[in-house]
Amino acid sequence: ILNVEQSPQSLHVQEGDSTNFTCSFPSSNFYALHWYRWETAKSPEALFVMTLNGDEKKKGRISATLNTKEGYSYLYIKGSQPEDSATYLCAFGAKSEKLVFGKGTKLTVNP
Amino acid sequence: EAQVTQNPRYLITVTGKKLTVTCSQNMNHEYMSWYRQDPGLGLRQIYYSMNVEVTDKGDVPEGYKVSRKEKRNFPLILESPSPNQTSLYFCASRSRGGQFTEAFFGQGTRLTVV
Repeated sequence: ILNVEQSPQSLHVQEGDSTNFTCSFPSSNFYALHWYRWETAKSPEALFVMTLNGDEKKKGRISATLNTKEGYSYLYIKGSQPEDSATYLCAFGAKSEKLVFGKGTKLTVNP
Repeated sequence: EAQVTQNPRYLITVTGKKLTVTCSQNMNHEYMSWYRQDPGLGLRQIYYSMNVEVTDKGDVPEGYKVSRKEKRNFPLILESPSPNQTSLYFCASRSRGGQFTEAFFGQGTRLTVV
């Protein structure tokens, strides 16, 4: 059974703080690593799809890195804003088109 | 606008009463799947379909059925719902290219079985 772990489970930061969280996944049979942002009462939306070891992707204040050899990815948010409050999901792209999701990191940014 | 549409958004039903949750996408995506989200657990895949008339079980298929008669539609059928199927359900679609392409999610269906 493929296991995708995210830490921490939840996080409270102050507006303006920078923060990061981790996604750990199997280092073998790697195809892709996805990050999604899921706001309450909405549907998850894709942030990044990363495929190559050493990949770094950026969208505004959010960036992500990927280490496929050791099986982890970091998501960074620079200068957090209240609108960044959401659950951040990572998903490991496995064989046969499957995505295996972690339980998510719930971020709350206090004004 | 590219979207995945699920209906209904909310549903309360009684044990044993058959129900269908519809899912439709307008992006001509080959790959569609159903997930359920429960507190403390990640999104778990129920069923998926790689194309018309091709469906397969995910991690938690018991008590569910699906069909893929047309490319755009992928309904989820609960023949005899039970309280342990109370959950938040998401439909998602992706284009050919599988794991390398982002998933687009529907708005979610919150189902309560009493």
